[in-house]
Amino acid sequence: QSALTQPASVSGSPGQSITISCTGTRSDVGGHNFVSWYQQRPGKVPKLVIYDVSDRPSGVSNRFSGSKSGNTASLTISGLQAEDEADYYCNSYRSSATLVFGGGTKLTVL
Amino acid sequence: EVQLVESGGGLVQPGGSLRLSCASSGFTFSSHAMNWVRQVPGKGLQWVSYINHAGAIYYADSVKGRFTISRDNAKNSLDLQMNSLRDDDTAVYYCTRDGGRAYEMDVWGQGTTVTVSS
Repeated sequence: QSALTQPASVSGSPGQSITISCTGTRSDVGGHNFVSWYQQRPGKVPKLVIYDVSDRPSGVSNRFSGSKSGNTASLTISGLQAEDEADYYCNSYRSSATLVFGGGTKLTVL
Repeated sequence: EVQLVESGGGLVQPGGSLRLSCASSGFTFSSHAMNWVRQVPGKGLQWVSYINHAGAIYYADSVKGRFTISRDNAKNSLDLQMNSLRDDDTAVYYCTRDGGRAYEMDVWGQGTTVTVSS
């Protein structure tokens, strides 16, 4: 099962906005709205930040937003803060009754 | 407090078996689907298996036929029986709760480490 495609790294300065893409196929990202995003800070357990493409769990900053176009989902973080520095993973349901993660993107706040 | 606590990890030889358990508390376990997710230290997340409250079960191709997921709603626990273990099964294994809306994993345990090595 091939992973979803994410850029290996992105960076931005405090206050800026960044976007992380997650590209799949019609069988996963493009075929469902079951896309979620996870933040994993160094040495920590992953944390859900976006689900159902664009919904935010209670307690997650509204600086985090999600969207989807065709086979590509995106996570946007606005007003970058030092605490946002982490690895970010997308996840999607796949029509073969499986779930699949992206390879992960390392966000560096300059 | 909603909590998941994994146990059962350890060192095992290639071809061996290990059973992981996940104890839940603070929520109605029987109402939620559950997953196992693994992560090789320094690498990305890999979904392993899913079981819902009705017993529907999914596996990643890499573990199908070797791993078995099960749950005991009376004991609020989730298990993963791992047989025919290989070197590339070495990872931290996380138990996660499905939030019930869109296959999202809204609660994660702290993980248990499985090392497959001779």
